[in-house]
Amino acid sequence: GESVGLHLPTLSVQEGDNSIINCAYSNSASDYFIWYKQESGKGPQFIIDIRSNMDKRQGQRVTVLLNKTVKHLSLQIAATQPGDSAVYFCAENIRSGYSTLTFGKGTMLLVSP
Amino acid sequence: DTGVSQDPRHKITKRGQNVTFRCDPISEHNRLYWYRQTLGQGPEFLTYFQNEAQLEKSRLLSDRFSAERPKGSFSTLEIQRTEQGDSAMYLCASSLPAGGDTQYFGPGTRLTVL
Repeated sequence: GESVGLHLPTLSVQEGDNSIINCAYSNSASDYFIWYKQESGKGPQFIIDIRSNMDKRQGQRVTVLLNKTVKHLSLQIAATQPGDSAVYFCAENIRSGYSTLTFGKGTMLLVSP
Repeated sequence: DTGVSQDPRHKITKRGQNVTFRCDPISEHNRLYWYRQTLGQGPEFLTYFQNEAQLEKSRLLSDRFSAERPKGSFSTLEIQRTEQGDSAMYLCASSLPAGGDTQYFGPGTRLTVL
């Protein structure tokens, strides 16, 4: 399938390393944030979410950190595996009243064995 | 598989032709969204339904685009008089109604306009 990663920031790591992907969001009124993983030729896949009343949430091998003061979101992946290679997008829910999502530009994660 | 499904997965058409895409949401999800994604970019919101009601449309949705969800289940997105600039991945997502609901995406329909 074709790449969705052209001209995207790229993070290259070795298998087993921890990865940190960062995202700056735009709207201080946003109160819900999601990280999606997108593999080439596929739709975005939900990874983890966080609400604005939290600053940290953990899942299986993933942790999301939210810093509302500087409007910054990060995704930490522990013990990164080759199967984690994909483009990662953060998305924010801007409270227009209808729950539409605004996506960031994405970061390509490349994991070498 | 009970996820969001989209049909067709790929569509190649000539400029000026009309195309229609279909999305079947996750069962019992009453919110349905359409997004467009071009190469190297994140998805961009197009329009959104709650049940059969189309509640919001983006400025990206020109008058050549129309979306329907007649029975509150599946949805169709039609593009009339396609242009080369319409070439993109068209993504559908669905969710349950709640504040900050999680949207689950389908595999997308890749449109190429020649």
